[in-house]
Amino acid sequence: TQLLEQSPQFLSIQEGENLTVYCNSSSVFSSLQWYRQEPGEGPVLLVTVVTGGEVKKLKRLTFQFGDARKDSSLHITAAQPGDTGLYLCAGGGTTDSWGKFQFGAGTQVVVTP
Amino acid sequence: GAVVSQHPSRVICKSGTSVKIECRSLDFQATTMFWYRQFPKQSLMLMATSNEGSKATYEQGVEKDKFLINHASLTLSTLTVTSAHPEDSSFYICSATGTHSSGNTIYFGEGSWLTVV
Repeated sequence: TQLLEQSPQFLSIQEGENLTVYCNSSSVFSSLQWYRQEPGEGPVLLVTVVTGGEVKKLKRLTFQFGDARKDSSLHITAAQPGDTGLYLCAGGGTTDSWGKFQFGAGTQVVVTP
Repeated sequence: GAVVSQHPSRVICKSGTSVKIECRSLDFQATTMFWYRQFPKQSLMLMATSNEGSKATYEQGVEKDKFLINHASLTLSTLTVTSAHPEDSSFYICSATGTHSSGNTIYFGEGSWLTVV
């Protein structure tokens, strides 16, 4: 059973366009992380959000954590080919189990020149 | 540079044999390490939580006798796939948490590809 639902599963856009990836759950998470993974490599952390309603910006990436801490979104402005990758959200990380995450199925993003 | 290193990055073994994958924290003491498995085009599935000096805690559905985890030191955890079968072929990833110079955070290894033939 996937606790975290990501949508869409696949996204193909042209360079310069904007995109949004969603991560939804019926569970409340103490923290939520977004990762990007390249083929054959481990995931690389992009951001951690812990406060309901929190918005974090990382250059052209904007991350939002829902008020109820059940959902999150990742928005990329003016996407570039270097943004291509598998984007994963991961929930969990309570005080008792810091580092133990449940991952969403991932969204494969392809940005073409 | 990588703060969590896995070895080997790729391994091929014969069906029925055992293979060991190492996960090392390079510049911090990892009190807890996690092992994940990822099948092609799928997400990471948590297999077990490994605390230094104690027995690993396995997720539901993961066979503890098949996937042996040892965390004997604060910088090394090993995953041994015993009596491997072709269906065990997968990408195995570890993550480690502890007190790093940048604070208490978590880092993922580069992953290890296991192919059982």
